[in-house]
Amino acid sequence: QVQLQESGPGLVKPSETLSLTCTVSGGSISSYYWSWIRQSPGKGLEWIGYISYSGSTNYNPSLKSRVTISEDTSKNQFSLRLSSVTAADTAVYFCARGRIGSGSYRVYYFDYWGQGTRVTVSP
Amino acid sequence: QSALTQPASVSGSPGQSITISCTGTISDVGGYDYVSWYQQHPGKAPKLIIYDVTNRPSGVSYRFSGSKSGNTASLTISGLQAEDEAEYYCNSYVSSRSVVFGGGTKVTVV
Repeated sequence: QVQLQESGPGLVKPSETLSLTCTVSGGSISSYYWSWIRQSPGKGLEWIGYISYSGSTNYNPSLKSRVTISEDTSKNQFSLRLSSVTAADTAVYFCARGRIGSGSYRVYYFDYWGQGTRVTVSP
Repeated sequence: QSALTQPASVSGSPGQSITISCTGTISDVGGYDYVSWYQQHPGKAPKLIIYDVTNRPSGVSYRFSGSKSGNTASLTISGLQAEDEAEYYCNSYVSSRSVVFGGGTKVTVV
């Protein structure tokens, strides 16, 4: 059974960089696609981006200029960095395993999720 | 890209069937058979219940079914049970190699 666990600071100051790590167990990150998704308080889900088994990345256009997703295959982890944060980046951040649609290379759905980690942006 | 449109809330009585709609555009829902649905209970992570419009992952109840017509996808929950009370989200592939979610629908079992 694949399990994902987010870790990182729960409080980040405005204008600084948010950094989170997702540790994957029960499977290798050298397969599939590995994503970050966030949920602002009382709001819906927002896809942030993913990194593939080959190390290529794809980001939400609205966040692309501030997002970096990287991987450490030796630790079976992948990470999120979001720069220049504001209060609007306050959210629960989930890591998840991304899957492709049948008969395609199009990543769009997520079958395993971490429990989520709450990040607050505040002075 | 804009979020997919879902009704804010849907309610039903135990045993009834309810349907949640998810409306997008030709660039997402209407252009691809790549729609999935998630169930989220308060304080928990979302759980995948439908993918590729109609497919259920192993272990998901047969009471959940998906469909699509044009730019609108739908999730039907039949034989509504108290445990089905949760928030439901749809999502779709977008032509720009992106991913978009719906705003969520709160299901209440009355």
